Amino acid sequence: AQSVTQPDIHITVSEGASLELRCNYSYGATPYLFWYVQSPGQGLQLLLKYFSGDTLVQGIKGFEAEFKRSQSSFNLRKPSVHWSDAAEYFCAVGAPGNTGKLIFGQGTTLQVKP
Amino acid sequence: DTAVSQTPKYLVTQMGNDKSIKCEQNLGHDTMYWYKQDSKKFLKIMFSYNNKELIINETVPNRFSPKSPDKAHLNLHINSLELGDSAVYFCASSILGGNEQFFGPGTRLTVL
Repeated sequence: AQSVTQPDIHITVSEGASLELRCNYSYGATPYLFWYVQSPGQGLQLLLKYFSGDTLVQGIKGFEAEFKRSQSSFNLRKPSVHWSDAAEYFCAVGAPGNTGKLIFGQGTTLQVKP
Repeated sequence: DTAVSQTPKYLVTQMGNDKSIKCEQNLGHDTMYWYKQDSKKFLKIMFSYNNKELIINETVPNRFSPKSPDKAHLNLHINSLELGDSAVYFCASSILGGNEQFFGPGTRLTVL
């Protein structure tokens, strides 16, 4: 069965420090991969996606993610975190096909220290 | 010009009541979804509709009934509300069968 694991429930980084949020997935084929961000009291906003091609994908707000098939991972990175990046981050996997179903990880809460 | 909107934003009600949440998208998408986010922030899909046709129906109690009057709207009706229904419900939309989904702001349902 498809699944997504985000090993870190909560991460705290200092403003200006680099960030890496981990995501591992379980899927029989190459999945479609996504990172979403949820600010407090808000809906989810798509940061970036991977469907195929270049395994390093760039997203909005200075985020990037790298797909590593051998590790079944799709980790999210940002070189310098801003206080406004404090939010909940969700990794998701979508099955190719026409259902559009997304399976989400448990989420990682990012706290940014001044 | 909100892309995906939901009403109401907050809903507080008593156990046993029936309530509805409405969702509208103006993106011209063909597919709409309902997700439930529990108190631990875990997101799980409940339903999806393609052009008013039910495509995904996860293991959801039949007290939950989605209704799609047209492809721009997907409403969620919940009968006989229970304490465990308290959650944030998100509506989303995408192109036909597309995984890149656009989410609404959520409806926080509290059942007392």
